[in-house]
Amino acid sequence: GAGVSQSPSNKVTEKGKDVELRCDPISGHTALYWYRQSLGQGLEFLIYFQGNSAPDKSGLPSDRFSAERTGGSVSTLTIQRTQQEDSAVYLCASSSRGPYFEETQYFGPGTRLLVL
Amino acid sequence: GQNIDQPTEMTATEGAIVQINCTYQTSGFNGLFWYQQHAGEAPTFLSYNVLDGLEEKGRFSSFLSRSKGYSYLLLKELQMKDSASYLCAAYYGQNFVFGPGTRLSVLP
Repeated sequence: GAGVSQSPSNKVTEKGKDVELRCDPISGHTALYWYRQSLGQGLEFLIYFQGNSAPDKSGLPSDRFSAERTGGSVSTLTIQRTQQEDSAVYLCASSSRGPYFEETQYFGPGTRLLVL
Repeated sequence: GQNIDQPTEMTATEGAIVQINCTYQTSGFNGLFWYQQHAGEAPTFLSYNVLDGLEEKGRFSSFLSRSKGYSYLLLKELQMKDSASYLCAAYYGQNFVFGPGTRLSVLP
């Protein structure tokens, strides 16, 4: 029984480079969420996918951020031209049906991104 | 904006009961999440309230009043392992808004 997995677990990159973060949700879960948490800060919501529906991108911090979900399963979060303020832990979570239902969200271990 | 307010720090004694309050703006509100996060770890989902009232899950209970824009997380029979940050988050349509988190310290 696999949980939510994320890769890479750690990523160090140089300012200006592009990075791609991956999330594999629990099999069969239709809802997938991306969050980030900067050092010592609270959680910040980024984007949410419900099945194959187009997501609301208004939570993404800038146009350098994009996310997609292929086939209603795996999701990738891409950050272009990374900046030092992008350094954070990027967390992915999934749930069976979505946030209109009272159900558990399961978090992955996160990807720790450090932009030098 | 959609501000979420919760106390930043609380302290309680092992075996006691503690209530962590959270207030949010009601316009467009759909539901209220509570998460637990130990230092250096990913959050763990605790509860999600959509309807008014109290929902109990073992030692943890969560309450919601939609008309008042108010929720609380109640932790009973506190244990040392309950020392963690507790995050309140409100769901609005396609957006989730998190509070700053309440750092709970459980003392022996």
